[in-house]
Amino acid sequence: QVQLVQSGAEVRKPGSSVKVSCKASGGTFSSYAITWVRLAPGQGLEWMGRIIPIFRTPNYAQKFQGRVTITADESTTTAYMELSSLKFEDTAVYYCARRSGSYSTHAFDIWGQGTMVTVSS
Amino acid sequence: QSALTQPPSASGSPGQSVTISCTGTSSDVGTYNYVSWYQQHPGKAPKLMIYEVGNRPSGVPDRFSGSKSGNTASLTVSGLQAEDEGDYFCSAYAGSNNLVFGGGTKLTVL
Repeated sequence: QVQLVQSGAEVRKPGSSVKVSCKASGGTFSSYAITWVRLAPGQGLEWMGRIIPIFRTPNYAQKFQGRVTITADESTTTAYMELSSLKFEDTAVYYCARRSGSYSTHAFDIWGQGTMVTVSS
Repeated sequence: QSALTQPPSASGSPGQSVTISCTGTSSDVGTYNYVSWYQQHPGKAPKLMIYEVGNRPSGVPDRFSGSKSGNTASLTVSGLQAEDEGDYFCSAYAGSNNLVFGGGTKLTVL
């Protein structure tokens, strides 16, 4: 069974960048999309983008275009999400997620544990 | 893409049924049958409860059901139990490999 393990909590200043990692273990990595989602305090889940490692071409939500970079390293089975020009409102828990292959293309039954990113001056 | 619209809260007594709505547009919910529902408890990652409008993953109780009509999808929880309390989010495919989520509904079991 695939597991996703994310990097630890981060604190950043406004205007800086943060890079969160998501390591997959226990299954096929390259052919399944890794999706990044965030949950800000008092807000709903927000889809940020995704990447299929074998294709290396990411898709980004319009809201984050120009500020987010999603990459994947097949050699280490790790995906990354980098968010730049951080604002206070980027304070959120960031999750990586993917499907196991048992269900739907656009539904995620495997999730990382979440990474808290705090933007504070 | 705009977020899907969910009621901020819903509630019911143990044993009762509750339905949570998720309203999108003709570009997402209305066109594709890729509507999913997630349950989230505080401090935990979301858990997939329903995929492709009305399908349950293995291990999800059959008390949970999903449906769709036009641009609105719905999640119904029958025979409410205390452990059903939590936040529920819908998601829908919006084309061009884009996904959109709802704002979430806090379900309280009275």
